[in-house]
Amino acid sequence: GNSVTQMEGPVTLSEEAFLTINCTYTATGYPSLFWYVQYPGEGLQLLLKATKADDKGSNKGFEATYRKETTSFHLEKGSVQVSDSAVYFCALSAWDTGNQFYFGTGTSLTVIP
Amino acid sequence: EAQVTQNPRYLITVTGKKLTVTCSQNMNHEYMSWYRQDPGLGLRQIYYSMNVEVTDKGDVPEGYKVSRKEKRNFPLILESPSPNQTSLYFCASSSGTLHYGYTFGSGTRLTVV
Repeated sequence: GNSVTQMEGPVTLSEEAFLTINCTYTATGYPSLFWYVQYPGEGLQLLLKATKADDKGSNKGFEATYRKETTSFHLEKGSVQVSDSAVYFCALSAWDTGNQFYFGTGTSLTVIP
Repeated sequence: EAQVTQNPRYLITVTGKKLTVTCSQNMNHEYMSWYRQDPGLGLRQIYYSMNVEVTDKGDVPEGYKVSRKEKRNFPLILESPSPNQTSLYFCASSSGTLHYGYTFGSGTRLTVV
């Protein structure tokens, strides 16, 4: 079946620290992979995506590379800011199970000045 | 602006009083979905619709109804709300293929007392 596993939080970093949030997936087909971000009191926003192996998604200084060999899609940012404090969700979409979307459980990030 | 609009943003109601949460999208998307978000449980899909007059159950459909009479609208109906339906609800839409990801509404925080 299809599933997404992401590292548990909460994660607390100092401003300008390097961020990695791990995400691994299980998929029977050829999924697309996503990172969504949820700022306090808001809905989920698409942060970045990758639709095939070796693709790199990037946005707002965040990056993630679709690694088929390790079934991973880790989120990274070189220098976090206080404004990056949010909950981050890894997700995949797959055709083989009726066009479904699978979310990880979310990782809460707090960046302190 | 491309968006998914949910109303209301906040709602407090009493047990058993029927309510409807509206959802509308202006992107001509075929696929729409309702999720609920609860602490420690992540996002769980309630119902989804692949097109007009086509709806199907997600992971937690009990106690909810939906309809898709028009492409742009996908209301969520709680015929007899109960306290365990207190949650944060999100509507989302996507083009026919979920490989491009979802666009989410801002959420509806429902409290049933």
